[in-house]
Amino acid sequence: GAVVSQHPSWVICKSGTSVKIECRSLDFQATTMFWYRQFPKQSLMLMATSNEGSKATYEQGVEKDKFLINHASLTLSTLTVTSAHPEDSSFYICSAAGNYEQYFGPGTRLTVT
Amino acid sequence: GDSVTQMEGPVTLSEEAFLTINCTYTATGYPSLFWYVQYPGEGLQLLLKATKADDKGSNKGFEATYRKETTSFHLEKGSVQVSDSAVYFCALSRRGGADGLTFGKGTHLIIQP
Repeated sequence: GAVVSQHPSWVICKSGTSVKIECRSLDFQATTMFWYRQFPKQSLMLMATSNEGSKATYEQGVEKDKFLINHASLTLSTLTVTSAHPEDSSFYICSAAGNYEQYFGPGTRLTVT
Repeated sequence: GDSVTQMEGPVTLSEEAFLTINCTYTATGYPSLFWYVQYPGEGLQLLLKATKADDKGSNKGFEATYRKETTSFHLEKGSVQVSDSAVYFCALSRRGGADGLTFGKGTHLIIQP
């Protein structure tokens, strides 16, 4: 099956700094990628839809200036958490759409101290 | 808005027991319904799906039937194995999986030998 990777798998950063998370589709091209956020014992919440070559579409309540998404190629989307704060600590998961199915990355654990 | 409700876990069963994980949804129209499974340290994997009422999705011994009248998509398996231990997510999509998914909170299944 299709493989999606995320890097890093976990990251710790200090409050006020920025962190970039990469999502790559390894063996297929994805015009659309999605970013989700998961809190402990909660469901995955869609943050934004990322389309290659165009601006991302953010869900209501998601700050687009804090969570910068770039989808520069058909195999790579990045999520940058800018000026991170402890409340941004969470598990971030990406998926890549292909053939009416989404393929998920393993997730990135972000801890902001 | 759309929502998915599934039974909270953890659910603990003995090997070879019968499994049911309940899932109900709220959505207008006719969404597609999915079950995803997440094994420890891995990304979500599609387990099965159904795209219209009365469809039955099946895979690896698991089954779920799209019930429009009860807005349900319960996951069942006749005889579980230790290797089925994982977290199971019920989800819906308005565009057959090509759009962002709405997830339930996930059910942690533990199978004891």
